[in-house]
Amino acid sequence: AQTVTQSQPEMSVQEAETVTLSCTYDTSENNYYLFWYKQPPSRQMILVIRQEAYKQQNATENRFSVNFQKAAKSFSLKISDSQLGDTAMYFCAFMKDFGNEKLTFGTGTRLTIIP
Amino acid sequence: GAGVSQSPSNKVTEKGKDVELRCDPISGHTALYWYRQSLGQGLEFLIYFQGNSAPDKSGLPSDRFSAERTGGSVSTLTIQRTQQEDSAVYLCASSSQRATYNEQFFGPGTRLTVL
Repeated sequence: AQTVTQSQPEMSVQEAETVTLSCTYDTSENNYYLFWYKQPPSRQMILVIRQEAYKQQNATENRFSVNFQKAAKSFSLKISDSQLGDTAMYFCAFMKDFGNEKLTFGTGTRLTIIP
Repeated sequence: GAGVSQSPSNKVTEKGKDVELRCDPISGHTALYWYRQSLGQGLEFLIYFQGNSAPDKSGLPSDRFSAERTGGSVSTLTIQRTQQEDSAVYLCASSSQRATYNEQFFGPGTRLTVL
């Protein structure tokens, strides 16, 4: 079974600064996907970024980037030039390879961007 | 197009009553997932439907929980004899089956409160 651990229950950062959210996971699988989801107060889960384990290059989506360390089983999210709209819960998630599979989530990090 | 919709948005019930939660997936999506988000916890997988295959019920916490998916579209999650520990947000997600990786799109969830 897979486990996902987020050790930072809450974080806050000044607007326009950079913040990094941590995530570690445990699995015996070799091929898998990792995700960061954002959940604002509306409860709508929004995919922020995903990483395929077989890709060595770290994924980037505009201001969001990841630091994927496969050997260390670490998958952190960096948010650059943080904006007030980034305030939300952020969940790290794991999915086994091969198509439709359930997601295994961490417990989340509540991020607050301070004006 | 329309996203995943869920109803009701909020449900308050008394301990011991049965409740039904509804999920309308994105049209054409063959896979449908139910997750539970308890206070302070990440999302917990409950059940997964894929086309006409037998559902993966491995995440259902007890036999009081059941789900069905009629006509490969709408799904209903039923909780019988509700308990206070069933209070949570219940999230539904759907995905297509057109690629090796299929993003799960989430609905806004149903917040269930058991008094």
